[in-house]
Amino acid sequence: DIVMTQTPLSLSVTPGQPASISCKSSQSLLHSDGKTYLYWYLQKPGQPPQLLIYEVSNRFSGVPDRFSGSGSGTDFTLKISRVEAEDVGVYYCMQSIQLLTFGGGTKVEIK
Amino acid sequence: EVQLVESGGGLIQPGGSLRLSCAASGFTVSSNYMTWVRQAPGKGLEWVSVIYSGGNTYYADSVKGRFTISRDNSKNTLYLQMNSLRADDTAVYYCASIGYWGQGTLVTVSS
Repeated sequence: DIVMTQTPLSLSVTPGQPASISCKSSQSLLHSDGKTYLYWYLQKPGQPPQLLIYEVSNRFSGVPDRFSGSGSGTDFTLKISRVEAEDVGVYYCMQSIQLLTFGGGTKVEIK
Repeated sequence: EVQLVESGGGLIQPGGSLRLSCAASGFTVSSNYMTWVRQAPGKGLEWVSVIYSGGNTYYADSVKGRFTISRDNSKNTLYLQMNSLRADDTAVYYCASIGYWGQGTLVTVSS
């Protein structure tokens, strides 16, 4: 089974400042089809998760460009260039190259 | 507009059974891989089961042998049959397909 490890567990950010979340997988997420099956979700309080980034670096429809994803193989990063109040919640990475596995989550709050 | 609407949750005694449904609109269940993901109170996301477009099904070890995922293409609906329910199955159950998630349905297993 692929294990997804996120750091940090929590993050307190001043509005307008950047934030970064790391996600490491226990196996490479690069498929033989050339795609890397790593996703980022944000779960706002009381809501289902919403997709932010798919296949490492592609923003989903309607996602602001302050969100960006990068990485390869087993190491991935989600960056928020300028955190806004509406960005609070728990961020999860997820792999789907071998069934599905979620990271443990990173809680982002505003200072 | 894509909508996934879960139903069928509720309070059930340990050992009991429930069937969850996920009705899709603006989206073809049979053409995409569909998953069930659960979230225990105050906890992170846990993948439960997946059915691929070709019909293959897979389960998390925690539910294997007790839960069955299926779909009805004519109704464009996903199902999760849950048998031999335990207290640790208590969670909000979401149906999802990468970019689209339902609002979830709460399953509470308690005597």
